[in-house]
Amino acid sequence: DTAVSQTPKYLVTQMGNDKSIKCEQNLGHDTMYWYKQDSKKFLKIMFSYNNKELIINETVPNRFSPKSPDKAHLNLHINSLELGDSAVYFCASSQERTGSGELFFGEGSRLTVL
Amino acid sequence: GEDVEQSLFLSVREGDSSVINCTYTDSSSTYLYWYKQEPGAGLQLLTYIFSNMDMKQDQRLTVLLNKKDKHLSLRIADTQTGDSAIYFCAAPSHSGAGSYQLTFGKGTKLSVIP
Repeated sequence: DTAVSQTPKYLVTQMGNDKSIKCEQNLGHDTMYWYKQDSKKFLKIMFSYNNKELIINETVPNRFSPKSPDKAHLNLHINSLELGDSAVYFCASSQERTGSGELFFGEGSRLTVL
Repeated sequence: GEDVEQSLFLSVREGDSSVINCTYTDSSSTYLYWYKQEPGAGLQLLTYIFSNMDMKQDQRLTVLLNKKDKHLSLRIADTQTGDSAIYFCAAPSHSGAGSYQLTFGKGTKLSVIP
């Protein structure tokens, strides 16, 4: 069973559109994250979220919004897409309270904005 | 917040040892991590070291930690072509509200020459 799964794996869309990427984890973790990896492979955190708190990286435009219907899901919604939003978006989860704090990553969703 | 630095490229011949270096800034980091990203895939935990350890060995992998200098290294013995990937150093940081996140270095692209 896939631990962290995200859909779609590939997304090609026009500038100005609104799109969502979904993420689900079946590990029972209490914290989920969205990371953005740019064309140079640099990985930057966008959000971390648990049932207590949403932490937003201050560099993330407010066109990006995470939505968590329940503890196992953290979806990423993007409004008014821009060319610079093209990247690979990774969802991840961890169990903060116990263990080493290891992150478990999804396979990534490659977003291309034309 | 945490700042993690690592060199961007490393090229070695098959059979040689590879050493990837990393520095971090947050001295309260409890665990430090090495993640591996193969082309087109997500990140997977390769190994980690607890901050009260100086060294950890796991088969061909050796992690060295110099806590005083905040320097972490990953040595891969007998490097194989299958080791070609991007290696990310990661260190945890905590927000003022107690939330936890991993900060990643920019990744070192290891190229193994047959």
